[in-house]
Amino acid sequence: NAGVTQTPKFQVLKTGQSMTLQCAQDMNHEYMSWYRQDPGMGLRLIHYSVGAGITDQGEVPNGYNVSRSTTEDFPLRLLSAAPSQTSVYFCASSYVGVAEAFFGQGTRLTVV
Amino acid sequence: AQTVTQSQPEMSVQEAETVTLSCTYDTSESDYYLFWYKQPPSRQMILVIRQEAYKQQNATENRFSVNFQKAAKSFSLKISDSQLGDAAMYFCAYMYYGGSQGNLIFGKGTKLSVKP
Repeated sequence: NAGVTQTPKFQVLKTGQSMTLQCAQDMNHEYMSWYRQDPGMGLRLIHYSVGAGITDQGEVPNGYNVSRSTTEDFPLRLLSAAPSQTSVYFCASSYVGVAEAFFGQGTRLTVV
Repeated sequence: AQTVTQSQPEMSVQEAETVTLSCTYDTSESDYYLFWYKQPPSRQMILVIRQEAYKQQNATENRFSVNFQKAAKSFSLKISDSQLGDAAMYFCAYMYYGGSQGNLIFGKGTKLSVKP
């Protein structure tokens, strides 16, 4: 049982580069979300999805795009990376109506 | 907007002793969940304990218990018989029961050190 799988675990980007953080879950969860964690800030919601084809913005969506074409996958795209996007990114999933979120192991992203 | 506040950036406890981490929150909703998550150096987010707002009884999980004061909007975590493995960042989090259920609002965290 893989749970929530994030790839890559570490990434270094140059300013202006683009990349996609991958998130996949095998639990048939409807709800998926992306958070970023910065020192002294806790985790903040970037984008979320309540099902395939449905996405919405969270607290800090600027600079990030998402799409949800399947129940299993919820990739996070950085179109033009900036140093302010240096952070640890977490993907989470859960059943709608069940208050238990499953987290991936995180991706540490550094933008230089 | 809902907010979660953890007023203790760092705490320290002696092994085998008891420590209490504080959390307050603000919401106008009546149906919600509160959580404590543990994040060890491995970075993994581990659910420690969950409390449903409609339940008056405080949640307990082995050595971990909460003091939930709904009127005061307070949700503290008590760790009894502290162990070296309890050393980690602890995050308090809120989830609204309806609407965009699933969205967690986190506090800024408390770093707990355990002294042998």
